[in-house]
Amino acid sequence: EVQLVESGGGFVQPGRSLRLSCTASGFTFPYYAMRWFRQAPGKGLEWVSLIRSRAYGMTTEYAASVKGRFIISRDDPTTSVYLQMNSLKTEDTAVYYCAREVVPLDSSGETFDAWGQGILVTVSS
Amino acid sequence: DIQMTQSPSSLSASVGDRVTITCRPSQTISNYLNWYQQRPGKAPKLLIHAASSLESGVPSRFSGSGSGTDFTLTISSLQPEDFAMYFCQQSYRMPPTFGQGTKVEIK
Repeated sequence: EVQLVESGGGFVQPGRSLRLSCTASGFTFPYYAMRWFRQAPGKGLEWVSLIRSRAYGMTTEYAASVKGRFIISRDDPTTSVYLQMNSLKTEDTAVYYCAREVVPLDSSGETFDAWGQGILVTVSS
Repeated sequence: DIQMTQSPSSLSASVGDRVTITCRPSQTISNYLNWYQQRPGKAPKLLIHAASSLESGVPSRFSGSGSGTDFTLTISSLQPEDFAMYFCQQSYRMPPTFGQGTKVEIK
């Protein structure tokens, strides 16, 4: 069974840092690109960051709203993906999800077919 | 970024009803459109990819259609477990963007 489990969330003051972790199991982690998304209270889903697999150079991408502040990384031996969040702002308050990216055989568009349960990050003074 | 507009934002329906949700991107996206279901307090669940391909294990009462700038998610006979939020998402161009969601409530 594919499982993703996030950890590391909590309450933090503006300007401080927090590191989220996502541990994967049930699939061959190194083969997959991984993403972080977030959902502010009562709002829709927002993509945050992407890290590609080693086969694609483990390259990274970021949403404009977090670029320069957040850093995504992965550790294939421990099947984990991380999100280092620096210079946090109140508008970063959200439930953060990690998700597995899959490109179906009948499509060339990526989908997100497995998600963690989400972890709450609250940024407030 | 491609903006995704869903309608309605919410609807009330009864068990057994046929429900239709519409998603319109701000530009043409071919069939690069996915649908997700999110129950309260839970993670999103992928229902449909490439506009009309049902994910394994998803009941056949769910169907998707459309291409370009006009897409539809249909639930043919609403069941109690279908009361949830539904989001569309485009995978045509980075960044992936989602609709604001449609809340399906019990009438």
